[in-house]
Amino acid sequence: DAKTTQPTSMDCAEGRAANLPCNHSTISGNEYVYWYRQIHSQGPQYIIHGLKNNETNEMASLIITEDRKSSTLILPHATLRDTAVYYCIATLGGGADGLTFGKGTHLIIQP
Amino acid sequence: DGGITQSPKYLFRKEGQNVTLSCEQNLNHDAMYWYRQDPGQGLRLIYYSQIVNDFQKGDIAEGYSVSREKKESFPLTVTSAQKNPTAFYLCASRGRRSSFGNTIYFGEGSWLTVV
Repeated sequence: DAKTTQPTSMDCAEGRAANLPCNHSTISGNEYVYWYRQIHSQGPQYIIHGLKNNETNEMASLIITEDRKSSTLILPHATLRDTAVYYCIATLGGGADGLTFGKGTHLIIQP
Repeated sequence: DGGITQSPKYLFRKEGQNVTLSCEQNLNHDAMYWYRQDPGQGLRLIYYSQIVNDFQKGDIAEGYSVSREKKESFPLTVTSAQKNPTAFYLCASRGRRSSFGNTIYFGEGSWLTVV
């Protein structure tokens, strides 16, 4: 898996869009960008993933730069329940040995 | 509901005892994984299995053992040889590779405390 760099923590006001950045400058052409989040004492929850194009689902949007060296996860209307640690992972889609998780970004949604 | 079920959620073990954590999935996934997470830290891979009756060591396999006798089950045994077993343990699974990546899904985790 390519190395990813994320800020340690971020704050966002409830109801605003939360934009979480991730740098993956050494990503290879066939590696996907995956995002997971983990609420305290729970298992990581899959959010979204992408390869080249921007992606959107019911939880979030993923914006990948044209050179694929960075990406941004967008939670359009953050709620208090979105407070969690968010992990950005660059990985081959189908690698047998699982995922490499760093320390992620601790997103705190402020009321 | 389809998903991954881990049990028990909380477990206390005396030093010197072995303990087995259960992981069952009904997603028909081929690959299964065990991770360990210490407070404030990321996940570390213990063991993984790509197919029934086959498994490989991850980064921190010492003091752990697994079996994969059935596709849906991948139990983890924490042996007395594991020197610092108190941690949060996560089981995960992944299906066959598709044309758009291959997502790993996680269970809710098991807390193991050695007393």
